[in-house]
Amino acid sequence: SQKIEQNSEALNIQEGKTATLTCNYTNYSPAYLQWYRQDPGRGPVFLLLIRENEKEKRKERLKVTFDTTLKQSLFHITASQPADSATYLCASPNTGFQKLVFGTGTRLLVSP
Amino acid sequence: DAGVIQSPRHEVTEMGQEVTLRCKPISGHDYLFWYRQTMMRGLELLIYFNNNVPIDDSGMPEDRFSAKMPNASFSTLKIQPSEPRDSAVYFCASSFEGGEAFFGQGTRLTVV
Repeated sequence: SQKIEQNSEALNIQEGKTATLTCNYTNYSPAYLQWYRQDPGRGPVFLLLIRENEKEKRKERLKVTFDTTLKQSLFHITASQPADSATYLCASPNTGFQKLVFGTGTRLLVSP
Repeated sequence: DAGVIQSPRHEVTEMGQEVTLRCKPISGHDYLFWYRQTMMRGLELLIYFNNNVPIDDSGMPEDRFSAKMPNASFSTLKIQPSEPRDSAVYFCASSFEGGEAFFGQGTRLTVV
């Protein structure tokens, strides 16, 4: 079955810099990947979906890429702000199209 | 819509007791998911429903776990008997036609 790998170490960056988070999948190329944000004590909140045939997707300061050769998706936050501090989760459908498998998430800390 | 509503928010119970978690999905959504989140294993899909019918329960850890969806606006996850290793945050999520998943606030379960 599909396995999603994200860097478990926290990423610390300075305000204004670009944060880049990595998501690797291990088996078949999924039809799409989703990215979620999770704040402490809350459920994940959907941010972006990128399909297999899309190289890049943007939403305001967020950018997601999908590289099927590297089996990897990169999630970028430009001009990062302390309010962007949270855990970011990558998700991929498993054998069932609707069955989302999540990575363990990467915690982002943006310092003023 | 108020979003996905879960109750209770916190539950502390003694080992061996029955625990029932409740979820009200977003009106009109046809998929409902139950996830469990721990530090060690991240977000794990336990079971999901489509139009109130269980589609995949392969993530349910043991026979002690059961889930029902008697109608489109209500689902329960029951653990009987509960064990300390069941301690985790349990999330319910819903989606429309397999699109982005909307998560509830979660139920933090502690079994002592």
